[in-house]
Amino acid sequence: DVKVTQSSRYLVKRTGEKVFLECVQDMDHENMFWYRQDPGLGLRLIYFSYDVKMKEKGDIPEGYSVSREKKERFSLILESASTNQTSMYLCASSFKGGRGYNEQFFGPGTRLTVL
Amino acid sequence: GENVEQHPSTLSVQEGDSAVIKCTYSDSASNYFPWYKQELGKGPQLIIDIRSNVGEKKDQRIAVTLNKTAKHFSLHITETQPEDSAVYFCAADRDDKIIFGKGTRLHILP
Repeated sequence: DVKVTQSSRYLVKRTGEKVFLECVQDMDHENMFWYRQDPGLGLRLIYFSYDVKMKEKGDIPEGYSVSREKKERFSLILESASTNQTSMYLCASSFKGGRGYNEQFFGPGTRLTVL
Repeated sequence: GENVEQHPSTLSVQEGDSAVIKCTYSDSASNYFPWYKQELGKGPQLIIDIRSNVGEKKDQRIAVTLNKTAKHFSLHITETQPEDSAVYFCAADRDDKIIFGKGTRLHILP
């Protein structure tokens, strides 16, 4: 059974802290994605990666960075957490297939609260 | 870039009735349109998808229709059941990514 796991289901951090959200997939997928989900705004793409050590900005990258040192692991980093980064964070992965493709498999999400 | 609009944002239907969710997209180059279902406490999961070379696809109680000329596509759920209560997202492809609509919260009333 395919699986995407995220390091925490719930996380509470203070303003200014550095926050790491970890995502691991066991499907040997090339592509990995980080989204944030907010009520009324749907899923918005923060960053994605098509290969190890490769990253691309999504639609809302400000305040975030990512790291992909291994194919199965994609980390989202909040360098200095702010209250407007309180949200649900979802990681996803998919096979590389080009346009017109491809099912994304999602993790269960991490609900981050920044106080 | 691609923009996906989804309506309605909330939908309540009586158990056993049908539910329809509609989406429009802006990029005429899009040719992959998946639908995801997100149950409480879980990540979204693909339930059905359609590619631009077909106009309709069915899987048991779920069907999707696509009108490429008008750039809209719809999800139809027939004979709704309590387990259909969830948030549904439509999406359209853009390069190697997919762009999601804002979601529809579907309530199935007993």
